[in-house]
Amino acid sequence: SAVISQKPSRDICQRGTSLTIQCQVDSQVTMMFWYRQQPGQSLTLIATANQGSEATYESGFVIDKFPISRPNLTFSTLTVSNMSPEDSSIYLCSVDLGQGLDTQYFGPGTRLTVL
Amino acid sequence: QKEVEQNSGPLSVPEGAIASLNCTYSDRGSQSFFWYRQYSGKSPELIMSIYSNGDKEDGRFTAQLNKASQYVSLLIRDSQPSDSATYLCAVNTGFQKLVFGTGTRLLVSP
Repeated sequence: SAVISQKPSRDICQRGTSLTIQCQVDSQVTMMFWYRQQPGQSLTLIATANQGSEATYESGFVIDKFPISRPNLTFSTLTVSNMSPEDSSIYLCSVDLGQGLDTQYFGPGTRLTVL
Repeated sequence: QKEVEQNSGPLSVPEGAIASLNCTYSDRGSQSFFWYRQYSGKSPELIMSIYSNGDKEDGRFTAQLNKASQYVSLLIRDSQPSDSATYLCAVNTGFQKLVFGTGTRLLVSP
């Protein structure tokens, strides 16, 4: 597996502001993913972030709301823009270590509360 | 809509018993299947992966896959209170994307 870290681990934000979440992995990976887990719900894929290309967003998620950066093979950021209380959620990054078999490993998550 | 279905539970078993967790999926073309364990307030932790029909065993865990029936299960033998968690079934539907079920909450009583 790999060591995956996320910052911040939690935050409380005001409506209308933006928060950038960082994801760092201790090895180079091609595929990184961002998920959202709303309270009491399962995980929903927001987007796939590949180094050197634009992120690929899933249905219902748009770049203006969730801009993603992927400047190198060990780091990615997800910004939650113009937040509303409905954005209160846990945001998780995951990585595919490229060992084949499409296995993903998750970071510890960022718990976001929007007031 | 590619879906993964799980019974939300809770599934209650006594310590030492076998816990059986089930998952069905709708996309017949799915090729890889995963079980994650998620403790309250924590992120998902990979428990098992399975790609071929049949059983795959790892310690106290056995994953079972039946592609014809579009069914995946996880058996936990000698269940321990520390196994109490939510178990998420995930299915790779192509292009390395995982679709998750809503999870089954398992409670193991001492």
